[in-house]
Amino acid sequence: AQSVAQPEDQVNVAEGNPLTVKCTYSVSGNPYLFWYVQYPNRGLQFLLKYITGDNLVKGSYGFEAEFNKSQTSFHLKKPSALVSDSALYFCAVLFTGGGNKLTFGTGTQLKVEL
Amino acid sequence: DAGVIQSPRHEVTEMGQEVTLRCKPISGHNSLFWYRQTMMRGLELLIYFNNNVPIDDSGMPEDRFSAKMPNASFSTLKIQPSEPRDSAVYFCASSFLVRFALGQGARGNQPQHFGDGTRLSIL
Repeated sequence: AQSVAQPEDQVNVAEGNPLTVKCTYSVSGNPYLFWYVQYPNRGLQFLLKYITGDNLVKGSYGFEAEFNKSQTSFHLKKPSALVSDSALYFCAVLFTGGGNKLTFGTGTQLKVEL
Repeated sequence: DAGVIQSPRHEVTEMGQEVTLRCKPISGHNSLFWYRQTMMRGLELLIYFNNNVPIDDSGMPEDRFSAKMPNASFSTLKIQPSEPRDSAVYFCASSFLVRFALGQGARGNQPQHFGDGTRLSIL
């Protein structure tokens, strides 16, 4: 069975500081990994994905994620956080049984404070 | 481009009533997903369709829930009869799945695009 884990329910960071939202995964075979963001009263929005290639993936709004195969991690990062980045972040892994079904983590609430 | 459109945005009804949630996917997308989000259980996949055919309904809670996709531009999720524990935000998402026959496998899959959800309250 495949799964993703987001070990932190909430992350607090000061505006201007770097942020990291953690994600670890467990899949058989090559992982296809995604990050989504959810703002209040909105649906999830795609940020970035890792399929293959460079371990550092760049996405929307200045976010990037680093794929680490040995640590089975796919942490989301941003060099300088903004208050407007405050939202709920989900890591997801593509189901390896075919199709495009995603397994989502439990989400991490990011709070960026002035 | 219009995104995934869900209706209604909010629904409040009494237990025992039938509830129908509607979704219009992005034009050209061939996969459609229904999710449910609650504080207790997080985001759960209920069912998904490829080319209007249900592929995996293992997440549907019970027989009170049913979903249909009569054509590529419309899907419904129905709850009959509704119960208070069905209260949640229901999301529809769509994406484009590249068939494995093209040799791209999962690499060809496009991200899922979500609607803004239907907030359902069963009293």
